[in-house]
Amino acid sequence: EVHLVESGGGLLKPGGSLRLSCAGSGFTFSNAWMNWVRQAPGKGLEWVGRIKSKPDGETIDYAAPVKGRFTISRDDSKHTVDLQMNSLKTEDTAVYYCATGLWLDGWGQGTTVTVSS
Amino acid sequence: EIVLTQSPGTLSLSPGERAALSCRASQSVNSNYLAWYQQKPGQAPRLLIYGASRRATGIPDRFSGSGSGTDFTLTISRLEPEDFAVYYCQQYGNSPLYTFGQGTKLEIK
Repeated sequence: EVHLVESGGGLLKPGGSLRLSCAGSGFTFSNAWMNWVRQAPGKGLEWVGRIKSKPDGETIDYAAPVKGRFTISRDDSKHTVDLQMNSLKTEDTAVYYCATGLWLDGWGQGTTVTVSS
Repeated sequence: EIVLTQSPGTLSLSPGERAALSCRASQSVNSNYLAWYQQKPGQAPRLLIYGASRRATGIPDRFSGSGSGTDFTLTISRLEPEDFAVYYCQQYGNSPLYTFGQGTKLEIK
């Protein structure tokens, strides 16, 4: 069974940086495409970015609102995928989920990021 | 940029009734890349349907998906109490890579 656990959320001021991590188990992590999806308070789902598996070229794609500020990386030896968030804005406040697969068929419980002055 | 519009915004029904949730795309979507998710309060979303009509593992057969092009539907044949939640459609492949609809809240009447 897919098990994903996000960590690293917190409260910080605009302009700050934060690094989220997602640890996966119960599946072949090295073959998995890993996504980050966020949900602002009371709002819908917004895709943030995705990193493909190394066999598939480890291609990384980002949503326009975060491109140039956020960076996704993976460490297959540790079964983790990270989201480095820089130049944070108040509109980045959200619960951040990692999700696996093309179809986002496995999700973590989320970690909360609050950006406020 | 492709936009997915879900309707209605809120659907009020009783257990045992049939629910039909609509998802309309601003441009044609490859039906192989249309999915539906369920989200309950305080929980992560759960994949229900992928490829427009294929049920994900463990999803009851009262959930079904249909449609093509720009119009897609999620149907719940007979509502169970645990089905009351928010439902999102999602497309993959067009820019941005993943797009979600704004959601339909299915509430108990």
